[in-house]
Amino acid sequence: GNSVTQMEGPVTLSEEAFLTINCTYTATGYPSLFWYVQYPGEGLQLLLKATKADDKGSNKGFEATYRKETTSFHLEKGSVQVSDSAVYFCALRSQGGSEKLVFGKGTKLTVNP
Amino acid sequence: DVKVTQSSRYLVKRTGEKVFLECVQDMDHENMFWYRQDPGLGLRLIYFSYDVKMKEKGDIPEGYSVSREKKERFSLILESASTNQTSMYLCASSSPAEDTQYFGPGTRLTVL
Repeated sequence: GNSVTQMEGPVTLSEEAFLTINCTYTATGYPSLFWYVQYPGEGLQLLLKATKADDKGSNKGFEATYRKETTSFHLEKGSVQVSDSAVYFCALRSQGGSEKLVFGKGTKLTVNP
Repeated sequence: DVKVTQSSRYLVKRTGEKVFLECVQDMDHENMFWYRQDPGLGLRLIYFSYDVKMKEKGDIPEGYSVSREKKERFSLILESASTNQTSMYLCASSSPAEDTQYFGPGTRLTVL
């Protein structure tokens, strides 16, 4: 079945550091891929998405590229801020029909000033 | 903006009680979802609905039921709450026209 594996946290960085959160997936065909973010005390919100191979999603300085050959969708940001402290979830929606999302377990990021 | 609201942010119930969690969305979305979120396990889908009066089991439906009598409202029911149902419950909605699910703020349920 479909699955998403993302790097275990927690991740702690200093402000302005470079961030990478790894995400790999298992799915048939060409799923849509997502990163959601959950700020403290809130629900999840979409951060970025990509729907086909080699697409790059970007938002708020975050980027992720859909790599079919490595089945990956790693999240990156060049310079993190304290306000980026949150839990980040990688997710996929399988190709062709189902509206369901499959989520990774989440990675908690803490950015210190 | 899409808004998904959940009836309570925090809820404390006793073992054996019947518990209702309500979710309302204001964007006329066809799809609605209930997840539970637990540390180290991420989000797991309990039930979802594609239309009024329609429901399908997710990955962990045991101990739960749902009701969707109106398009905007999706209720999660714990028939007889147990301590292992202590968790954060998240509701979401989406439209087939776009990939994005929109989430409510969550209900943190504690069963004593």
